[in-house]
Amino acid sequence: DAKTTQPPSMDCAEGRAANLPCNHSTISGNEYVYWYRQIHSQGPQYIIHGLKNNETNEMASLIITEDRKSSTLILPHATLRDTAVYYCIVRAPLNAGNMLTFGGGTRLMVKP
Amino acid sequence: NAGVTQTPKFRILKIGQSMTLQCAQDMNHNYMYWYRQDPGMGLKLIYYSVGAGITDKGEVPNGYNVSRSTTEDFPLRLELAAPSQTSVYFCASTGQMNTEAFFGQGTRLTVV
Repeated sequence: DAKTTQPPSMDCAEGRAANLPCNHSTISGNEYVYWYRQIHSQGPQYIIHGLKNNETNEMASLIITEDRKSSTLILPHATLRDTAVYYCIVRAPLNAGNMLTFGGGTRLMVKP
Repeated sequence: NAGVTQTPKFRILKIGQSMTLQCAQDMNHNYMYWYRQDPGMGLKLIYYSVGAGITDKGEVPNGYNVSRSTTEDFPLRLELAAPSQTSVYFCASTGQMNTEAFFGQGTRLTVV
């Protein structure tokens, strides 16, 4: 499985955009990039995923570089409730178990 | 639609005891997973299943067993509990296509 590298922690001011980077330089052509977050010790919550095109939903935007070796999760207007650990994951293909392999994530602190 | 349900939510075991962590999903998902999360760390995959009757080891399978007799249920068995198995356990499921994985709310296990 492709590994990911994320900064261990980041701060963001409330109301500003939070840009969370992720490197996945060994990603294969058919592997998707997923983002999850975990608030306190709750179960991880799905945010967004993509293959090579940029994606947007009601929670966030995902920007994937053209070479697919890195991506950025953007929370457009961060709130205090967005304080969480954010995990960037390269998902195994269906024929390899389809699992999510979690790294250490980025602890995002949104401050008033 | 309950999603992924884990029971119990909390449990204290004595060293050497055994127990089964229950996981059930009502989304007709083929893929199911068990993870453990130690304090301050990311989730680690224990076992997974790609369908009823099929299971395989993840990253940290020692001390655990699983079975998958139905599509809905994926119990995790701990034999001879050890303090090193003190952790939060998460069950997850996902469908056939490359879609989001749903997580349960976790079982917090303490072995004393």
